[in-house]
Amino acid sequence: AQSVTQPDIHITVSEGASLELRCNYSYGATPYLFWYVQSPGQGLQLLLKYFSGDTLVQGIKGFEAEFKRSQSSFNLRKPSVHWSDAAEYFCAVGPPLMEKLTFGTGTRLTIIP
Amino acid sequence: GAVVSQHPSWVICKSGTSVKIECRSLDFQATTMFWYRQFPKQSLMLMATSNEGSKATYEQGVEKDKFLINHASLTLSTLTVTSAHPEDSSFYICSARVPSGTYEQYFGPGTRLTVT
Repeated sequence: AQSVTQPDIHITVSEGASLELRCNYSYGATPYLFWYVQSPGQGLQLLLKYFSGDTLVQGIKGFEAEFKRSQSSFNLRKPSVHWSDAAEYFCAVGPPLMEKLTFGTGTRLTIIP
Repeated sequence: GAVVSQHPSWVICKSGTSVKIECRSLDFQATTMFWYRQFPKQSLMLMATSNEGSKATYEQGVEKDKFLINHASLTLSTLTVTSAHPEDSSFYICSARVPSGTYEQYFGPGTRLTVT
């Protein structure tokens, strides 16, 4: 069975500082991997995705993520955060054909001035 | 990109009544749609997989008689919460899977249900 772990429930970062959100997955083969962002009371917005190929994936809003097979990780990074990045971030894993998408528990990001 | 809509975006209903939530894929046909539930400050939990022209597949612990799913066309799936109770209050999000290529899921904006 597939699973996703986001070890950090809540992260606080100063505006302009770098950010890394951790995501570890469990799946028997190479999965499809996703990062979503959710603002309070809103739906999900896809930041980036990995299906195959280059393990460093660029997304929207200046985010990137790196797939590391040896570590079963897909960490999200941003070199300089903005106050508008404050939100909940979800990592998700799905098998090819996407029969089922499994979400991590989320990481809440707070930005301080 | 593909667009998925949900209607209504929020709804308040009285305990014991039923409420229907619609999920539409606006620019692609989706043979498979998914319904998720999200409690405050929690993650999304898959409730059921909705297949066009056949019965939905429910996740363990989800009452199929309470959460009725109908996928009557390639662009519309509905979730009906029957005899709603306050504990059914939640954020319901649907997604639609593109039928080829990466089979990626696209998410709707969600429906906030409050049962009083």
